[in-house]
Amino acid sequence: SQQGEEDPQALSIQEGENATMNCSYKTSINNLQWYRQNSGRGLVHLILIRSNEREKHSGRLRVTLDTSKKSSSLLITASRAADTASYFCATDMKYSGNTPLVFGKGTRLSVIA
Amino acid sequence: GAVVSQHPSWVICKSGTSVKIECRSLDFQATTMFWYRQFPKQSLMLMATSNEGSKATYEQGVEKDKFLINHASLTLSTLTVTSAHPEDSSFYICSASEDRVNYGYTFGSGTRLTVV
Repeated sequence: SQQGEEDPQALSIQEGENATMNCSYKTSINNLQWYRQNSGRGLVHLILIRSNEREKHSGRLRVTLDTSKKSSSLLITASRAADTASYFCATDMKYSGNTPLVFGKGTRLSVIA
Repeated sequence: GAVVSQHPSWVICKSGTSVKIECRSLDFQATTMFWYRQFPKQSLMLMATSNEGSKATYEQGVEKDKFLINHASLTLSTLTVTSAHPEDSSFYICSASEDRVNYGYTFGSGTRLTVV
């Protein structure tokens, strides 16, 4: 079953603008991960944030986690046309190697050149 | 880093036939493999969890007799879609867990199944 929701479901921005996507989840987690998926392709792991972390950066990506609100956000700064893709958050409730990631519904991002 | 090789990347088959999808962990042992299904413009939905040497655990609503999963070795898991129908057309993707990797999960590149 899906853990939660992402919003917006779809987002269209101009190149150079920032894109913010939000994710909410329902249960306690060990960590939360963000993935990118280009149309019809596999998943690309972007970033992982652990439950005891509040913010993490990786290049143009900034992820925040608020465990009290059970929510996370992904910010992509200075967006490029190549960032056009679907973005999913995935929660890892109890990492033991035997528990699956549970994915949100995703946000379809379109960056217009 | 850890790599999961998934084949085929796409397949077209006739209704009523069976299709086998393979996922191999190339440089690590995958005790557990997860199989997901993704319909167009939707998210990944977990179908089943397979553990090497034991029966797979299926999610509610997934027919175990239709989606046969075999995890006979620590490096190979297969998903067979039996008696495929057009509604089985979807994107299937596997994921394996490997403890040495920071985040522990590696995904295959996916298989686009089209049943005609």
